[in-house]
Amino acid sequence: DTGVSQNPRHKITKRGQNVTFRCDPISEHNRLYWYRQTLGQGPEFLTYFQNEAQLEKSRLLSDRFSAERPKGSFSTLEIQRTEQGDSAMYLCASSTDTYNSPLHFGNGTRLTVT
Amino acid sequence: AQSVTQLDSQVPVFEEAPVELRCNYSSSVSVYLFWYVQYPNQGLQLLLKYLSGSTLVESINGFEAEFNKSQTSFHLRKPSVHISDTAEYFCAVSRSAGNKLTFGGGTRVLVKP
Repeated sequence: DTGVSQNPRHKITKRGQNVTFRCDPISEHNRLYWYRQTLGQGPEFLTYFQNEAQLEKSRLLSDRFSAERPKGSFSTLEIQRTEQGDSAMYLCASSTDTYNSPLHFGNGTRLTVT
Repeated sequence: AQSVTQLDSQVPVFEEAPVELRCNYSSSVSVYLFWYVQYPNQGLQLLLKYLSGSTLVESINGFEAEFNKSQTSFHLRKPSVHISDTAEYFCAVSRSAGNKLTFGGGTRVLVKP
């Protein structure tokens, strides 16, 4: 078990640019979640996948955000036309779908939009 | 919809003193309750969870939390903290154990020598 891996660790971009983050979940986990955490706040749910199907999206996920999990393994989160308000830590988590399986989080990708 | 309130954003405490972190939730359905810890420059780690059964749950490093349904609370306690307990602690709820979590705003614990 190598844990949930997120890349890159840090990303600095200029406003208006597109960015893409990657998440590799724990290999046997079929559920994958994306959260966003801003300074001084708890993580906020963005979206989650069961295998390759995106089952739920938060209202926080504007049309500039898109997430994919094409083969049910790794996932990508893309933000188009970034805004300064997108600056945050983007967290990925995974779990199995069994009754008492908790979420396992990665270390996150910190995005700074200048 | 569910929501979680952590009443204290920051709790300074001296080493070997007790600490209590308060968590209240609101939900129209039964929930599962969790505490996660985030050490500096690390990801969130599960500290303990309440799914069913005994309302008092314990972690391996001396923390405990008690589910109180009537008060809709899940406060976290430790009788004697260490410097290494310095971290941010998040309370969270879920409608099912493997489903999405709703987090509180977090409580930053700073343990002083």
